[in-house]
Amino acid sequence: QKEVEQNSGPLSVPEGAIASLNCTYSDRGSQSFFWYRQYSGKSPELIMFIYSNGDKEDGRFTAQLNKASQYVSLLIRDSQPSDSATYLCAVNGPSGGGADGLTFGKGTHLIIQP
Amino acid sequence: DTEVTQTPKHLVMGMTNKKSLKCEQHMGHRAMYWYKQKAKKPPELMFVYSYEKLSINESVPSRFSPECPNSSLLNLHLHALQPEDSALYLCASSQDHRGLQPQHFGDGTRLSIL
Repeated sequence: QKEVEQNSGPLSVPEGAIASLNCTYSDRGSQSFFWYRQYSGKSPELIMFIYSNGDKEDGRFTAQLNKASQYVSLLIRDSQPSDSATYLCAVNGPSGGGADGLTFGKGTHLIIQP
Repeated sequence: DTEVTQTPKHLVMGMTNKKSLKCEQHMGHRAMYWYKQKAKKPPELMFVYSYEKLSINESVPSRFSPECPNSSLLNLHLHALQPEDSALYLCASSQDHRGLQPQHFGDGTRLSIL
């Protein structure tokens, strides 16, 4: 059974600072890793995905993956009040040859303080 | 707005009613998914369709019946639901039939069972 662990928070970060969100996963065979942002009452929105060890940057967001440590993180630079949301870490694979669903962590509630 | 369209946005039904949720995507994606999300919980996988064939059923009660009439359309037929089935029902799609590519979510249908 795959497990994905996140600190539920809330994580409070001053506006303009770097927010650091962390996630660990149990299945060493996992192949793809996703970060979704979910505002209250809305559906999850894809922020970043990463497949290989190392860093992947997209604008103010950086995803980091360390497969040896089974650890994924998301950094948000220059945090804005609009970044306040729940951030869901999700893991997929190995698929066994067919489509597989995502396993989500419980999410980290991020609050950016103006 | 998302490229995965779900209707209706809200649904209230009694325990003896029969209703259907609809999901449509025109991105040429070959995998489609149903998730259930309760308040303050992460999405939980219900069903996976790959190339219009059911590939995963996560032990979902038979009162939920999925259908994939074609590669763009996914339905979820509901019958004799229980109050605990009240939740946000999310449809998602992904390009890769192995499901390792990012999944894109619709806005969801908020279902209330009286």
